[in-house]
Amino acid sequence: QQQVKQSPQSLIVQKGGISIINCAYENTAFDYFPWYQQFPGKGPALLIAIRPDVSEKKEGRFTISFNKSAKQFSLHIMDSQPGDSATYFCAASDGWTGTASKLTFGTGTRLQVTL
Amino acid sequence: EAQVTQNPRYLITVTGKKLTVTCSQNMNHEYMSWYRQDPGLGLRQIYYSMNVEVTDKGDVPEGYKVSRKEKRNFPLILESPSPNQTSLYFCASSLRTSDEQFFGPGTRLTVL
Repeated sequence: QQQVKQSPQSLIVQKGGISIINCAYENTAFDYFPWYQQFPGKGPALLIAIRPDVSEKKEGRFTISFNKSAKQFSLHIMDSQPGDSATYFCAASDGWTGTASKLTFGTGTRLQVTL
Repeated sequence: EAQVTQNPRYLITVTGKKLTVTCSQNMNHEYMSWYRQDPGLGLRQIYYSMNVEVTDKGDVPEGYKVSRKEKRNFPLILESPSPNQTSLYFCASSLRTSDEQFFGPGTRLTVL
């Protein structure tokens, strides 16, 4: 049973465009939603994270939008650059206020930014 | 430099030959975890450890063992590897599950 569903599986965006990756979750106890970025041959690295007490968090060109009622959150990459080409994973846990033992990951989105 | 190290980075073995993948972190993190990454399936947790001598199963623990005798080390043991364990493995550590998880560089395992 997949608790975090991620789409699309792959995405091609032109340089300067907006990349949007969506995730939906089922467990209403989740209270921490990070996004990880993975370049080929490397381990994932934290990109940006949000807690559900806010609806949006922005860091540079990267923004997380969070819709608690719909149990959805998304990553927006503004002015996408070729250097953003990577695989992106959303994740969720209830470890912020609870004693969660795990971070549940989505299946990943391979983003390619073309010139 | 704060980091998670894994060894070996690449391993080709045969069915049934026991192997160990080592993981070490130098950040004094209490939480450590092993994941496997497969195309289309994302990152799936194998085992995790909340502290020394405290380990528990993740989503896909079958065929794997772990131990946490020291805070910095969390080895992954495959007692009798099978071809369906061919995968890319990552070790990760963090202060808590709600904190940033630091991932190692990965170990690509092929079981023939």
